[in-house]
Amino acid sequence: EIVLTQSPATLSLSPGERATLSCRASQSVSIYLAWYQQKPGQAPRLLIYDASNRATGIPARFSGSGSGTDFTLTISSLEPEDFAVYYCQQRSGWPLTFGGGTKVEIK
Amino acid sequence: QLQLQESGPGLVKPSETLSLTCIVSGGSVTTTYGWDWIRQPPGRGLEWIATVFQGGTIYYNPSLNSRVTISVDTSENQFSLRLTSVTAADTAVYFCARRYCTGGICYFFDYWGQGNLVTVSP
Repeated sequence: EIVLTQSPATLSLSPGERATLSCRASQSVSIYLAWYQQKPGQAPRLLIYDASNRATGIPARFSGSGSGTDFTLTISSLEPEDFAVYYCQQRSGWPLTFGGGTKVEIK
Repeated sequence: QLQLQESGPGLVKPSETLSLTCIVSGGSVTTTYGWDWIRQPPGRGLEWIATVFQGGTIYYNPSLNSRVTISVDTSENQFSLRLTSVTAADTAVYFCARRYCTGGICYFFDYWGQGNLVTVSP
């Protein structure tokens, strides 16, 4: 099983600041990594797929990078609606796995 | 617009079987996508449970493999999850989701249901 480790667990930032979230895989997943945003009481929403491709309708302030075992989700300037939990997910091997999440909270 | 809606009980007794259905509207389960179940214990992260593809190929999470069954009902345009011998550790919000596939490759979860909280308690 491919284990995804996200850091930090919590990120305390102010609106307008830059957020940098990390996801590290226990073995190479090539570029087969996605990022999701989840708000309380809601289902996750796809942000980024295959490491760097923005999903339909996702604002340009969200960007993804990385390959192999190290990946980054960057939010260039936090908007109030961006405070949420973010999960990475790999599709390189079965079982599909998610990271433990990073909560982006208002400082 | 595709919509997924979970249906099932909110409370299941320990040792019994959890059964959930995902009703698909605005699209067909016979298309070449994957249909998945994912769960989230309260206050915790996401755990993938199972995938079924239109051709009948199925994958299960080995951590649940012996207790879980996923199936598709094309006549009702829905797919289902059965989890046997449940314990309190199976208490979670259960999501159904579609996995986007094209050209024989399956990528990400693009549509999700709203989630169904299932509590395992006597």
